[in-house]
Amino acid sequence: DTEVTQTPKHLVMGMTNKKSLKCEQHMGHRAMYWYKQKAKKPPELMFVYSYEKLSINESVPSRFSPECPNSSLLNLHLHALQPEDSALYLCASSQDWAGVSTGELFFGEGSRLTVL
Amino acid sequence: QKEVEQNSGPLSVPEGAIASLNCTYSDRGSQSFFWYRQYSGKSPELIMSIYSNGDKEDGRFTAQLNKASQYVSLLIRDSQPSDSATYLCAVRGGKLIFGQGTELSVKP
Repeated sequence: DTEVTQTPKHLVMGMTNKKSLKCEQHMGHRAMYWYKQKAKKPPELMFVYSYEKLSINESVPSRFSPECPNSSLLNLHLHALQPEDSALYLCASSQDWAGVSTGELFFGEGSRLTVL
Repeated sequence: QKEVEQNSGPLSVPEGAIASLNCTYSDRGSQSFFWYRQYSGKSPELIMSIYSNGDKEDGRFTAQLNKASQYVSLLIRDSQPSDSATYLCAVRGGKLIFGQGTELSVKP
């Protein structure tokens, strides 16, 4: 069973659309992440929620907006995206002690986003 | 100098051989070291964690850490075609940093 579930698996959207990616983890972890991955590149951290407190990668544009309704759910709201935002978006969770991730990440299957 | 460096490959080995994947890092304060495997079109999967100098074995996989040399490696014994994937080294100091990944191809 996949313990970190992402929906949708594929998303095609226009530059004027508003859409959301969703993630749910069933591992009891207290830290959840959004990563962006382009082809043949490593995952790039976008946002971290640790004990429901948000940390942001300052280079991420404001057209990406995270939301953490509770410690098991993580959303990524998308608005006015650009074609260069097309990528695999990965949700991950980890155990988190004293606000520091262990580094052992459990990834969902990813949401492949295409922006037209 | 990149914070975590890996040879991008591709590294090609014959089936049954030992595959050796290498990673160097720049932050001497790094505390935790990880290897993730990523099949084409799939998400990364954690396969090994190592926290202290020396070797850690798990089945056909052995992780080796040398903090003095700032070097971590992954050995895959009896390589199988199903091991063909990109292997990402990740190092945690103040934050988790991924290397660029090494593409491994195991030829039957």
